[in-house]
Amino acid sequence: GNSVTQMEGPVTLSEEAFLTINCTYTATGYPSLFWYVQYPGEGLQLLLKATKADDKGSNKGFEATYRKETTSFHLEKGSVQVSDSAVYFCAAGGTSYGKLTFGQGTILTVHP
Amino acid sequence: ETGVTQTPRHLVMGMTNKKSLKCEQHLGHNAMYWYKQSAKKPLELMFVYSLEERVENNSVPSRFSPECPNSSHLFLHLHTLQPEDSALYLCASSETSGGSTDTQYFGPGTRLTVL
Repeated sequence: GNSVTQMEGPVTLSEEAFLTINCTYTATGYPSLFWYVQYPGEGLQLLLKATKADDKGSNKGFEATYRKETTSFHLEKGSVQVSDSAVYFCAAGGTSYGKLTFGQGTILTVHP
Repeated sequence: ETGVTQTPRHLVMGMTNKKSLKCEQHLGHNAMYWYKQSAKKPLELMFVYSLEERVENNSVPSRFSPECPNSSHLFLHLHTLQPEDSALYLCASSETSGGSTDTQYFGPGTRLTVL
């Protein structure tokens, strides 16, 4: 089956700093890739997704590009805000029953 | 209400109790999911329902019993749980269950504590 590996956290940044959270996957074929975000006390929300190689997903200033060659889907943001503090999950779509395989999550804390 | 709702938001139960978690989606989706989120572990998929039929059961102990009476509602019946079952239980739905591109929409979760 699929597996997803995210960089270890927690990540602590100052406001307006550049953010990268690494994500790599192993899969049979080319799964769709997702980034979800979980704010404190809430469920997961879709942040962005890419469904095929070289696609770039983007939302709220966050971007990630589906890199088939490196089997990666790194999340980036040029200037983080305090409100971006949350847990970020990378996930790979399955080939049956919409199954998602999640990474372990990366805690991001942004200080003013 | 819109999206995916879950009740209760918090639940404390003893090991001999029987309780149920409820999930409702208002998105017109055909697939629903139960996940378990434990501290320092990846999200674990527990069950998948497609058009009210269970299509996946990820080796979940029988003390967890799902029920999907219609495509909008999903329950997780709990009995004789163990303290290690304490976790955040998340419900999700998607338009279909057959496509790897489908986005899953999550509820806020039920925080379960087993004493």
